[in-house]
This record gives sequence, structure tokens and C-alpha cells, in this order.
Amino acid sequence: DSGVTQTPKHLITATGQRVTLRCSPRSGDLSVYWYQQSLDQGLQFLIQYYNGEERAKGNILERFSAQQFPDLHSELNLSSLELGDSALYFCASSVGEGSNYGYTFGSGTRLTVV
Amino acid sequence: GDSVTQMEGPVTLSEEAFLTINCTYTATGYPSLFWYVQYPGEGLQLLLKATKADDKGSNKGFEATYRKETTSFHLEKGSVQVSDSAVYFCALRRNTGFQKLVFGTGTRLLVSP
Repeated sequence: DSGVTQTPKHLITATGQRVTLRCSPRSGDLSVYWYQQSLDQGLQFLIQYYNGEERAKGNILERFSAQQFPDLHSELNLSSLELGDSALYFCASSVGEGSNYGYTFGSGTRLTVV
Repeated sequence: GDSVTQMEGPVTLSEEAFLTINCTYTATGYPSLFWYVQYPGEGLQLLLKATKADDKGSNKGFEATYRKETTSFHLEKGSVQVSDSAVYFCALRRNTGFQKLVFGTGTRLLVSP
């Protein structure tokens, strides 16, 4: 157990629907990162939060949004889902933002859009 | 922009064989370099890291040396085991500004008994 908890582990939904993925960071970690892993795109950085504030955006679609709550858990919202959104979504956390702080990854949420 | 290039897999080896997975990078300045491993059905785990030129990261028999002159960070292990079968990702992270991890595409290692 890495200490980063992601729920649900698996999600199957239809095109056009909206889903919410949840991440609880490791105790004491303030930064949360979301990554998408797909067969054709590899691991793509989506977005980062630090202590409740958005810090950076990567290749995140406008249909996707995220937030980090006061208790530091984070949610990734995916709407108007398309078949191509099927992927593994990983959350990672770290104590700080500097490169000396390693990331700890959760085990991911596998999203299947049918 | 920053990027990481890894050798394509799968890499298929017999148990106790020598492993090399090549990784080269392109980045501004001197990033920190990482190897992560992903076992089936699991998230990524940090395997080793190096934060400056000529540093050698090592863990569980795996090693990688940060070579600035060749912008490389090749992963090696002297004698692989079946349990090493997994996907290995090379990654970099800048030491200034916002430091997101940039990953390579991953290399699948298959070790047979």
C-alpha cells in the first residue's frame, strides 16, 4: 500500500456521461498530481494542486476539471465522456513541489467508456 | 520541450541474464532523473533516482548512472529474475520552476524461467 488511495478502482460508463475520480494523498503530502495513461499516449500529465491551489496544467481537456479540498483530497471530474477517454487515471502525491520530493502513486482508476 | 526517449519493448530475457534498458533525455538545464516500475495492475513505484551528473542511483540490484555528456540514464541489472517482469519508465523532472515528471513511453520487460 503506497498510502495514496484512489477510488473507484474500476469504472464503466457510457459515452456522454460524467464521472468523478477521487484521490486521497499520502498523509502529510500537500501536492497532488493527476496523470492519464493510455496505450497510444503513454503517461500524460493532466494537472497539479498544492495545498488547495491549482499550480499547473498539462494536457487536460476542457471537458475535464479537478479540485483539491481543504482536507487535501482531490477529485478529477470528467464530463461528456468519449470512447477515447478510456484510460488509467493515476493520482500521485508529494510533500512539496521541489524535485527532491519524490512522487508516490496510487494504484489508479481504470475508466472504460462504452 | 522536455522529453524522454526509451527503447521500445518488449525486452525478453531468460532468468539470470543481464539487463539494459536505454533511456535518453532532452531538457533545459540539469534535471533530476528517475526510473519507475509498474507491475501488472498496480501504480508506478519509484525504483531509483539521480539528481546530478555522474550520480548513480541503485535499488534492488538495479543501477543507472546520470550521464550528462550523452544525456542518458540507462537502467541495468546484472541478473534478472522472473519477478522483475514489469513495465519500466524513465522520467525527468526539472530542478527549477514547476517540476512535473515527464515520462518516457515505458519498456516492458518479460523474464522467463
